[in-house]
Amino acid sequence: QVQLQESGPGLVKPSQTLSLTCTVSGDSISSGGYHWSWIRQHPGKGLEWIGHIYYSGSTYYNPSLKSRLNISIDTSQNQFSLKLSSVTAADTAVYYCARLSMIRAFDYWGQGSLVTVSS
Amino acid sequence: EIVLTQSPGTLSLSPGERATLSCRASQSVSSTYLAWYQQKPGLAPRLLIYGASSRATGIPDRFSGRGSGTDFTLTISRLEPEDFAVYYCQQYGSSPPRSTFGQGTKLEIK
Repeated sequence: QVQLQESGPGLVKPSQTLSLTCTVSGDSISSGGYHWSWIRQHPGKGLEWIGHIYYSGSTYYNPSLKSRLNISIDTSQNQFSLKLSSVTAADTAVYYCARLSMIRAFDYWGQGSLVTVSS
Repeated sequence: EIVLTQSPGTLSLSPGERATLSCRASQSVSSTYLAWYQQKPGLAPRLLIYGASSRATGIPDRFSGRGSGTDFTLTISRLEPEDFAVYYCQQYGSSPPRSTFGQGTKLEIK
């Protein structure tokens, strides 16, 4: 059974960098065909795709976030990470990590991590 | 950028009734890469349908999807109490590789 688990600070100050890590179990992050993804959900709102990374390190970002975004992968730890710089209150959201499967749907999700941007 | 518009925003029905949810794309999308999700409060979304019409593992057969081009539909044939939730459609575009979600339809008990 594939499981994903987000971890990281729940509170970030404005202008700082939001950092989250997703630890994958039950599957090797190096196995081909999958993209490892970040998705967020603002309070009471819909889902927003942030970006994803392939095991090779190739990344694909939401254009609206691209200038502030970095997604990286650590195959030795079976983890991938999100860094979003220069955050504002508008970045307050639940952040999910998910696996984009070979049929290009998100078949496994983490439980979500609420990140609040506030001083 | 492809925009997915879901309708209605809110659907009020009773258990046992049939629910029909719509997802319309601003331009043609590949049905291979159109999916539907269910989300309950406080939980992560759950994949229901992929490839526009294929049910994900463990999804009851009262859930069905269809459509092509710009118009897609999720149907729940007979609503069970646990089906009341928010539903999202999602498309994957391969060039460039990115995903887009609809804004969601809330299915509430009438």
